[in-house]
Amino acid sequence: DGGITQSPKYLFRKEGQNVTLSCEQNLNHDAMYWYRQDPGQGLRLIYYSQIVNDFQKGDIAEGYSVSREKKESFPLTVTSAQKNPTAFYLCASSMGPGGYGYTFGSGTRLTVV
Amino acid sequence: GENVEQHPSTLSVQEGDSAVIKCTYSDSASNYFPWYKQELGKRPQLIIDIRSNVGEKKDQRIAVTLNKTAKHFSLHITETQPEDSAVYFCAASRVGGSYIPTFGRGTSLIVHP
Repeated sequence: DGGITQSPKYLFRKEGQNVTLSCEQNLNHDAMYWYRQDPGQGLRLIYYSQIVNDFQKGDIAEGYSVSREKKESFPLTVTSAQKNPTAFYLCASSMGPGGYGYTFGSGTRLTVV
Repeated sequence: GENVEQHPSTLSVQEGDSAVIKCTYSDSASNYFPWYKQELGKRPQLIIDIRSNVGEKKDQRIAVTLNKTAKHFSLHITETQPEDSAVYFCAASRVGGSYIPTFGRGTSLIVHP
């Protein structure tokens, strides 16, 4: 699936629950990213990691958390503090900083029920 | 930080016409400008990119032009086909540095048969 796999494809969350979105890559990329996509708002950066055990907040990090314990994996947790979590979430990776060789996952659509 | 403006937000053309999408950027140090195509419900995919040391790049029916002085770059699609219908994103970044690409808000291109 293009070397970067997101799961699940669809996810439903009840109010007050935390949910974790998975992102795995086998491209040997150092950098990984999480974006949120809402209609008309483009791609908004949530968190990014340029190296294992290190990550940085993006533009809209509030209500989200991440970890980067392995180079291949960059899971995103949507916490109950995120007031409007319904969105399409995209994970991406790149071979280095600057975005050269950016590859996106196929996305997870999260819906609050 | 970098700011990328993308216009128009929606573009409707007849099959066979040309389509042009424009982006402007603010950081004169940006040197890498990719374009991504995202079909409905799918992942964004790189379709063409350009570095700041060239002014134009072509790949079959698509081309990108860059004006460093004016800090704008454009995507040109000739002989449009219905399968070109998608959302197109531009981005600006610096290859080789610890920079995160900044994306435009996207252009929804609709090609009418």
